Amino acid sequence: GENVEQHPSTLSVQEGDSAVIKCTYSDSASNYFPWYKQELGKGPQLIIDIRSNVGEKKDQRIAVTLNKTAKHFSLHITETQPEDSAVYFCALRYSSASKIIFGSGTRLSIRP
Amino acid sequence: DTEVTQTPKHLVMGMTNKKSLKCEQHMGHRAMYWYKQKAKKPPELMFVYSYEKLSINESVPSRFSPECPNSSLLNLHLHALQPEDSALYLCASSPLDLSGNTIYFGEGSWLTVV
Repeated sequence: GENVEQHPSTLSVQEGDSAVIKCTYSDSASNYFPWYKQELGKGPQLIIDIRSNVGEKKDQRIAVTLNKTAKHFSLHITETQPEDSAVYFCALRYSSASKIIFGSGTRLSIRP
Repeated sequence: DTEVTQTPKHLVMGMTNKKSLKCEQHMGHRAMYWYKQKAKKPPELMFVYSYEKLSINESVPSRFSPECPNSSLLNLHLHALQPEDSALYLCASSPLDLSGNTIYFGEGSWLTVV
C-alpha cells in the first residue's frame, strides 16, 4: 500500500554543519516528492520539491536528491542556521491520485 | 502569492455544538484539501475536492462534513465531535494542471473539543 518512511525522527547538528534527512517509499508509481518545513504553531511550508524525471534539485542551502531505482529521496541542508530548527516532513504523490501522503517527520535542532 | 487563509485560528467547542471551519484561496487552484494533524504526527488526509466535487474521503466519520461552495472556498462542518477530535485542522490547495500538484497549506485551525 501507500507508504513512506522517514529517518531520523530527531536530528541535532551544530550550527554551520550539514543536515540530511532520508525517506524511502514502496510504490514505483510515485512521481512527485515535496519537502515541507513546519514551525511550531504554523502550517507546513513547502521548501523544495522534485519530480520523478529529475535526479537532483538545489535552491540555495537546500537540495533534494532522488534515486528512483532504490526508491529513496533525501533532503540536504548545508550551512545550517538557528532558523532551520523545525519539523521537516517528506511527502509524495502517486501518479494516479491527487492526494499527497507524508512521512512521519524529523525534528531538526540546530545547536549554537 | 501562495496564500491559503483559514478561520478561525482557534476554536473551542462542546461535544453537542455545531461549528464550521472555513478556508479560502484566490490562487485559482481547483483542488482543495482538509488534513488533520495531531501533536507530533504528520498531517493525515481527510478530504479532497477536485473541481468543487468531492473526489476523496478517507473514511472520515460523518460528524465531519465538508462543503465546497465554489472554487475558492472550502468549509468543514463539525457536529457532535469527541475530545479525541481535538487537533490542528489544515486546509490546502493545489492546481490541477500540467504544472504539477504542489500543495500549499494554510496556517491551520486549532480545534479543542471539551
